[in-house]
Amino acid sequence: NAGVTQTPKFQVLKTGQSMTLQCAQDMNHEYMSWYRQDPGMGLRLIHYSVGAGITDQGEVPNGYNVSRSTTEDFPLRLLSAAPSQTSVYFCASSHLTGGYGYTFGSGTRLTVV
Amino acid sequence: QQQVKQSPQSLIVQKGGISIINCAYENTAFDYFPWYQQFPGKGPALLIAIRPDVSEKKEGRFTISFNKSAKQFSLHIMDSQPGDSATYFCAASMNTGFQKLVFGTGTRLLVSP
Repeated sequence: NAGVTQTPKFQVLKTGQSMTLQCAQDMNHEYMSWYRQDPGMGLRLIHYSVGAGITDQGEVPNGYNVSRSTTEDFPLRLLSAAPSQTSVYFCASSHLTGGYGYTFGSGTRLTVV
Repeated sequence: QQQVKQSPQSLIVQKGGISIINCAYENTAFDYFPWYQQFPGKGPALLIAIRPDVSEKKEGRFTISFNKSAKQFSLHIMDSQPGDSATYFCAASMNTGFQKLVFGTGTRLLVSP
């Protein structure tokens, strides 16, 4: 059972480039979400989804797009990378009921130069 | 808007000592309070959680104390070990339908040998 799988683990982008961070889960979780983690700021919610075809914005959505075409996958797209998007990105998933125990991926460390 | 305030930001404890991390919340509708543990290079993992119908929950060396009237909860790590060195996040959510977790800013714990 793989849990939540994020790829890539590390990425360096130039300002203005676009890329997609991949997230896949094999636990049939309805809820999936993306967080960014910056020093001293904890985990900030970027976008989330409560099921295929349903997405919504979190606390810091600007500069990011998401889509959810399947239950398993929830990719995060950076449209035009900026140095302010340098961060560690985590994908998390959970069932919608039953205790809200989020399962996190191992993260993607993104540097924008 | 910071709905869960966590302190201290960092903590150094000697091996065998007690580590205490505190969180305070504002929204009285919160009724699920988990703690997550994150090791370097890894995603956060659920450590222990409490609901407000009890004032304390213990799992091994880890204890959550909950004070509903003060709107505070804390994590106590008894007999702290170097392997406990990690970042700890408190979080909170409401139990009306599915509600997203709100995270504290994290505490970096270092247990010295």
